[in-house]
Amino acid sequence: QQPVQSPQAVILREGEDAVINCSSSKALYSVHWYRQKHGEAPVFLMILLKGGEQKGHEKISASFNEKKQQSSLYLTASQLSYSGTYFCGTEGAGGTSYGKLTFGQGTILTVHP
Amino acid sequence: GAGVSQSPSNKVTEKGKDVELRCDPISGHTALYWYRQSLGQGLEFLIYFQGNSAPDKSGLPSDRFSAERTGGSVSTLTIQRTQQEDSAVYLCASSFTGAMVGTQYFGPGTRLLVL
Repeated sequence: QQPVQSPQAVILREGEDAVINCSSSKALYSVHWYRQKHGEAPVFLMILLKGGEQKGHEKISASFNEKKQQSSLYLTASQLSYSGTYFCGTEGAGGTSYGKLTFGQGTILTVHP
Repeated sequence: GAGVSQSPSNKVTEKGKDVELRCDPISGHTALYWYRQSLGQGLEFLIYFQGNSAPDKSGLPSDRFSAERTGGSVSTLTIQRTQQEDSAVYLCASSFTGAMVGTQYFGPGTRLLVL
């Protein structure tokens, strides 16, 4: 099943913070976050593994709650370059779920000056 | 080193024709993935390869879609008797991975338009 992302879209001014959520109905082994700018290929941001710690990259960080099968992506002090569509990809725990990602529908983030 | 490459970058075809889309993964990457992205939509999983084997073909929309990978490298996605609903961007990604999914590196995609 496809994970559900929320919100579907968010509009920010430079310097503001945002949180994007990703929720799955099945047990997860890992959660991956990607960003895609218009007309370009998705670019990897980070992976969160079951049993792992919260990850961070500059002002973008993420958490993974295994029990709730949820992940959140935190964007702090947003910059214009953060604009794009954010996708979470989930890898299920067990069986044929290993080895592939199921992506959410995406969250469109727009940062204005 | 070179990233993932895909060809052609754009393809316009007539309904009912067959098309072949090619993906060259990053050298040494054992896993290769195909996704479809319709306009304004998310990434729809089609198939993935671990080496030359395809453990999961469940995402292929119909039997008109097939894919192969030879020599653990290049992969070809073939769509037979194309339909207008096949119009989309087809993305390929590769990953250096074992049993679990590693970082996926995406190619620029092939934009397919079926008239």
